[in-house]
Formats: sequence, C-alpha cells, structure tokens
Amino acid sequence: KQEVTQIPAALSVPEGENLVLNCSFTDSAIYNLQWFRQDPGKGLTSLLLIQSSQREQTSGRLNASLDKSSGRSTLYIAASQPGDSATYLCAVIAAGNKLTFGGGTRVLVKP
Amino acid sequence: EPEVTQTPSHQVTQMGQEVILRCVPISNHLYFYWYRQILGQKVEFLVSFYNNEISEKSEIFDDQFSVERPDGSNFTLKIRSTKLEDSAMYFCASSESPGLGETQYFGPGTRLLVL
Repeated sequence: KQEVTQIPAALSVPEGENLVLNCSFTDSAIYNLQWFRQDPGKGLTSLLLIQSSQREQTSGRLNASLDKSSGRSTLYIAASQPGDSATYLCAVIAAGNKLTFGGGTRVLVKP
Repeated sequence: EPEVTQTPSHQVTQMGQEVILRCVPISNHLYFYWYRQILGQKVEFLVSFYNNEISEKSEIFDDQFSVERPDGSNFTLKIRSTKLEDSAMYFCASSESPGLGETQYFGPGTRLLVL
C-alpha cells in the first residue's frame, strides 16, 4: 500500500529565505507526482505536476524535483514571501487514477 | 480560468440524515473524483467516475455513499445516513481525460458537520 510522508510537518522562515519541502513515497512505481497548496479552510490549488519520466518541473519561483527510484520529491520555493504561507501537499498516482496524499508541510513566512 | 465549483460551502446535518453534496466539474473534463479530509488528517480518496460509472472506490466508500451525474454538468455525492465520523471537508476534482498523467483540479470543498 502506497504511503506518502512529508517532513517537516511545519516550517517557519524569514521572508526572502528559500524553502525546501520534502516528500517521500514507499512505492516507486508511480505515474506522476503532484504538489498542491492549501490555504486554511480552503481547497487545493495544483502547483506542479511531474510525470514519472521527468526529473524536475519549474513554474516561476517554484521548482520540483523527482527521484523515482529513491521515492523522493522536493519542492523548492525561491525567495519566499509572506503570501507563500500555506500548507503544501504532495500526492502521487501509483495505480488506478487516485491520488495518495502526504500529510502536508505547514509553512509560515515571517515578514 | 475554468474552475471546479462546489455547493454548499458548509452543511450541518443531524446524524442519520441524508446529504447531497454538489459539484460542477470543469466543462470539458471527463473524469471526476471525490476526496475527503477529516480535520487534522490526510486527504483521502473516495471514488472516481468516468463514462457514467464508478471506475474505482476506496474502502471508505461503502453502501452509504453513492455518486451520480444527473445531467451534463453536475456531479453529486450522496451520503444516505450520515454518521458523526462523516464530518469532514469533501473535495470534488476533475481531470480532462482518464490518462494517468493528467492534472486533477480541485474544487473549494464542502465542509460537512454531522451532529
């Protein structure tokens, strides 16, 4: 059974610092990995999707890497801003078409 | 930009009552999903739906749950007889096709509270 873990559970950084969020998964036979942002009490906003054949994906200040063989993905957010404060979730598709989610990393960027 | 919408945003119900949660997926999408998130826990998959039938369901999705696409735009989740443990945020999602590489787009969620 696929398990997705995100460490740390919470992270607090001063504005301008780069953020590094980690995601690991137990079954490396995934089809893709998706990073989401969740604001308190809100829905999930898709940030990046990495196909299993890709090593990384970039969108603006966000860069996500994928090492399928070791079961890891990392989301980098450059030059963090207070508006980046949110919970970041990673999720994988390994079988069927269902996403299996990690528990999230709650990020606070202090001005 | 097209988005998934859900109604209501909040629902409070008594234990044992039926609830219907509604979703309008993105218009050209063909694959639909329900997920839920109990407060403080991970987002969990409930069911996926394609071509007017369930494609996959989790062990959570028992006989108390059903899904339906009653017309060309709505996608509903019905809980027949709610339990206290059904209290959660319910998210609808859609993707353009059943392909495994497709991004799933999520709605804002319905917060269900069962008393």
